[in-house]
Amino acid sequence: DTEVTQTPKHLVMGMTNKKSLKCEQHMGHRAMYWYKQKAKKPPELMFVYSYEKLSINESVPSRFSPECPNSSLLNLHLHALQPEDSALYLCASKQGGNTGELFFGEGSRLTVL
Amino acid sequence: QKEVEQDPGPLSVPEGAIVSLNCTYSNSAFQYFMWYRQYSRKGPELLMYTYSSGNKEDGRFTAQVDKSSKYISLFIRDSQPSDSATYLCAMSPNYGQNFVFGPGTRLSVLP
Repeated sequence: DTEVTQTPKHLVMGMTNKKSLKCEQHMGHRAMYWYKQKAKKPPELMFVYSYEKLSINESVPSRFSPECPNSSLLNLHLHALQPEDSALYLCASKQGGNTGELFFGEGSRLTVL
Repeated sequence: QKEVEQDPGPLSVPEGAIVSLNCTYSNSAFQYFMWYRQYSRKGPELLMYTYSSGNKEDGRFTAQVDKSSKYISLFIRDSQPSDSATYLCAMSPNYGQNFVFGPGTRLSVLP
């Protein structure tokens, strides 16, 4: 079982809604990631937080807003999304620094109507 | 040329076969190599993690890294229908935090 927990597992939202995806890990990892995955494609990096600071932002539209309240939690706030944003959103974590395996959660499947 | 190449398959094998999955890459800075298994509509599950060149074995799985050829492999022995999934390779350099993924290979193990 994965030790990275994501909620909700499924989310359906309209283009005017505001919602949030949540991720939690208790492995003591200090780097946390958001990936977006479309069907039959590999995960695509969105954001990386290292020691609770945003360290990588892959030019993601501002309608996606990440937040890292503490070393165990990672949120992704969603606002005014488009239907093409429908995808599986994956949270991952690893030890801080340059080494360590990357562990994924089960993902939150988002549908934008 | 893509940074990481992987045969997308689909690859179909009979139960009990030995499966060989491969990735090639172009960036000689990659030092850490991972293999993930992803079932449909689930998150990727880490199978193997290796550093630099060499072999690593874990149960029915063996990972090989040949840095001189920029080529990594995952072997699955005695394949089972439950191994049917998409297999993703991923790699990262010895600095930074980004992991580059291959496009994935879809594997079907037929009973």
